[in-house]
Order: sequence, then C-alpha cells, then structure tokens
Amino acid sequence: DGGITQSPKYLFRKEGQNVTLSCEQNLNHDAMYWYRQDPGQGLRLIYYSQIVNDFQKGDIAEGYSVSREKKESFPLTVTSAQKNPTAFYLCASTRDSSGQRVGEQFFGPGTRLTVL
Amino acid sequence: QKEVEQNSGPLSVPEGAIASLNCTYSDRGSQSFFWYRQYSGKSPELIMSIYSNGDKEDGRFTAQLNKASQYVSLLIRDSQPSDSATYLCAVNGDNAGNMLTFGGGTRLMVKP
Repeated sequence: DGGITQSPKYLFRKEGQNVTLSCEQNLNHDAMYWYRQDPGQGLRLIYYSQIVNDFQKGDIAEGYSVSREKKESFPLTVTSAQKNPTAFYLCASTRDSSGQRVGEQFFGPGTRLTVL
Repeated sequence: QKEVEQNSGPLSVPEGAIASLNCTYSDRGSQSFFWYRQYSGKSPELIMSIYSNGDKEDGRFTAQLNKASQYVSLLIRDSQPSDSATYLCAVNGDNAGNMLTFGGGTRLMVKP
C-alpha cells in the first residue's frame, strides 16, 4: 500500500523542548511539504523540499527546522524558539511536475502537537 | 501576496439539496485549482482538480472554473450528511512549481 505516514499521531511538548515529527512516503514522490493548521484556519506552509538535500522556507519557518537526507523522509523539528507550537501539523507530497499534473498534493494523517 | 478567499460558513443545506461552495483567488496567472475535503480532526483529502475553464464532473461533485473572473466553485449534488466537512480551495500559481496557496475553508453542514 502506497501512502504517507506521520508519527506520532499525538505529541506533547514541555516548554523549552525540541521535538521531531516524522513524515515518510513510499509513493516515490519528489517534493514534500510541511504545513501547520490552527483551529478554524487554513493551511500555512512551513518548509518544503523539491529534491533530496535541498529545502526552502515557507511562510512561517521561524522556530522550525527540517532535513531531507532521503527521498522518502522529511522530518520536521519544532524548536524551543517556536513560541506558539500548539497546532495540527500536516505533511504532504507530490510528484515532480514534469509530465504529471502540477500541484496535486496528498496529505499524511497529521500530528497534533500540544505544549504543556 | 497571493490570496485565496472562501466564506468560512457554516453553509447549511438540507439532505438531498445542492451545496455550492465558492472560492476566489488573486493571482491571475494561476494554472491549477483543487478542492480538498477535511473532516473534523482529520487531514485534507483531494476530491477534485481542475485545470481549464468550464465544468468538470466526478460523481456527485462538479468543479467550475472561470479564470476571467478568478473564480472556482464546487457543487455537491444530492448532498448527504456524510458530506458535512470543511472544504478547502487550493490554487497553484503561475511559475509556482508545485506550490499551493490554500483558502481558509468553508464548513458545510448537511442536515438530515
């Protein structure tokens, strides 16, 4: 079964801690994305990566970091510098635009992060 | 700043009626348009993609695109209580690669 997995489903963080959210895909997709969703809001882009070992900041990258060492994996670290991290975090992926429908993104199940 | 606007709702329709969801966008060069359905507490699910002006039908769903008016809509025929969800409009701008800009979503409630 091809798909995108995220873990954990729920995560609790204490003040001052860094936490890492996992995102893995076995769809052979080139590009991967991290979004944040606050209650009643749309999605805001944190970071994205179009190829291995390369990534770019999105609209709200401050307080977050990522890596893309493998095509299948795009972990997100929420650092202590992120002052209001409580949110629903969504990972998405898409095929390269060459020869494919541009823009179709598919989402993992999400991680709900709560700061205690 | 590229913007995608949706009425937050809730939009309430009776079971069996047609639900009409609307979305406007600011980037005139936008090329691709998507509708996602998001149930409460779940992740978004892609339900429709549309790339050219006109209508595109898939089962009970019809997406309508008017690039001149910078307007995209989603019609849901024979609405069911299971259609109750938040519907997100997403737009892929000109030269944006695979980047999407999302609207804030419209909450749809279908009453039995």
